[in-house]
Amino acid sequence: QVQLVQSGTEVKKPGASVKVSCKVSGFTLTELSMHWVRQAPGKGLEWMGRFDPKDGKRIYAQKFQGRVTMTEDTSTDTAYMELSSLRSDDTAVYYCASENLDHAMDVWGQGTTVNVSS
Amino acid sequence: DIQMTQSPSSLSASVGDRVTITCRASQSISSYLNWYQHKPGKAPKLLVYTASSLQSGVPSRFSGSGSGTDFTLTISSLQPEDFATYYCQQSYSTPYTFGQGTKLEIK
Repeated sequence: QVQLVQSGTEVKKPGASVKVSCKVSGFTLTELSMHWVRQAPGKGLEWMGRFDPKDGKRIYAQKFQGRVTMTEDTSTDTAYMELSSLRSDDTAVYYCASENLDHAMDVWGQGTTVNVSS
Repeated sequence: DIQMTQSPSSLSASVGDRVTITCRASQSISSYLNWYQHKPGKAPKLLVYTASSLQSGVPSRFSGSGSGTDFTLTISSLQPEDFATYYCQQSYSTPYTFGQGTKLEIK
């Protein structure tokens, strides 16, 4: 059974970058398509992007193009999401989630709070 | 991008009520529609995938239906633990867009 464990709370200043990790257990990272989703305070869920190991493609939501980078370390089965040029409206809880064979996000990490404040 | 529109945005109901939430896609997404339950401080939970398949471990009072552009999530008899926010999400094409959410509150 897949489990995803994310890194802890981050506090960043505007303009900085943040890198959130998502450790996979129960499966190897190469077997999983990994998504990143965020929820800002008082807002809904927002899809940020996905890495698909079957074709090696990373697809990012247009809103985050140029600021987000999703990477993977297969030696440690850890996925990463780095967001740069942080703004106050990037304050949110960030989730990793793995995709099942029916293209639904069936396993989620516990979430990582990122607080961007001067 | 495919736009997902849920209605209502919020809903007050009582324990035991039957509740239906609707989700409309801006173009046909076949059956690539998923429903999630989200509670404060917790990770979202997959309830229904491919429009009508119940995720393992999810109570049978939850059901999903629809295809093309119009979908529904029904809770047949609300339980206290069902009060949460519900989201639809299309996985037909990237970006995998979510609806704006439906907050289900206790009447």
